[in-house]
Amino acid sequence: EADIYQTPRYLVIGTGKKITLECSQTMGHDKMYWYQQDPGMELHLIHYSYGVNSTEKGDLSSESTVSRIRTEHFPLTLESARPSHTSQYLCASSEQGLTAPKSYNEQFFGPGTRLTVL
Amino acid sequence: KNQVEQSPQSLIILEGKNCTLQCNYTVSPFSNLRWYKQDTGRGPVSLTIMTFSENTKSNGRYTATLDADTKQSSLHITASQLSDSASYICVVSDRGSTLGRLYFGRGTQLTVWP
Repeated sequence: EADIYQTPRYLVIGTGKKITLECSQTMGHDKMYWYQQDPGMELHLIHYSYGVNSTEKGDLSSESTVSRIRTEHFPLTLESARPSHTSQYLCASSEQGLTAPKSYNEQFFGPGTRLTVL
Repeated sequence: KNQVEQSPQSLIILEGKNCTLQCNYTVSPFSNLRWYKQDTGRGPVSLTIMTFSENTKSNGRYTATLDADTKQSSLHITASQLSDSASYICVVSDRGSTLGRLYFGRGTQLTVWP
């Protein structure tokens, strides 16, 4: 069982509010990821991090920002939420990559945050 | 363009029956292929992972196959249970970057009826 946590699990807020989605993992993984997933659609990578003080944008453009001050923590922030941000946000982590063949760079996912912006 | 296509989009079967889900991919260079199970409102959970040299892998009632030549994979579920109702996602990783980027299919939504 993967030890990766996300809070809140569900969030309903009004337009214009600032929100932070929390993600933490206790596995000591260097790599962490944020994905966005709409119903019936594939996961899209929006942010990732190789380690502390490293953040990169993913394939899908997102108005959110992330930070990585501690290894175990990778929060995602929306400065001004809009209805178009309504989606499920999934956080994941993995061991530092391809040099460990048996790890296959397997990503472990958190339970997700279902965000609804009214 | 790197893509992962899954079929069928949805499937309904009766409890106790077997089923097979399909995945075709164009990801290159190929590193590995995984099948994930995602319950509604939850994050995906890994079922199997296969590299280029592996053509079958089992995890309980789940058996995945991989044909790297035709770039096809299947997930066979034996003696289905109600708890198998979920979305099954095929994910392919490339080895062209240090990130080990993942390409996700849209999933097959499986419903098992009693």
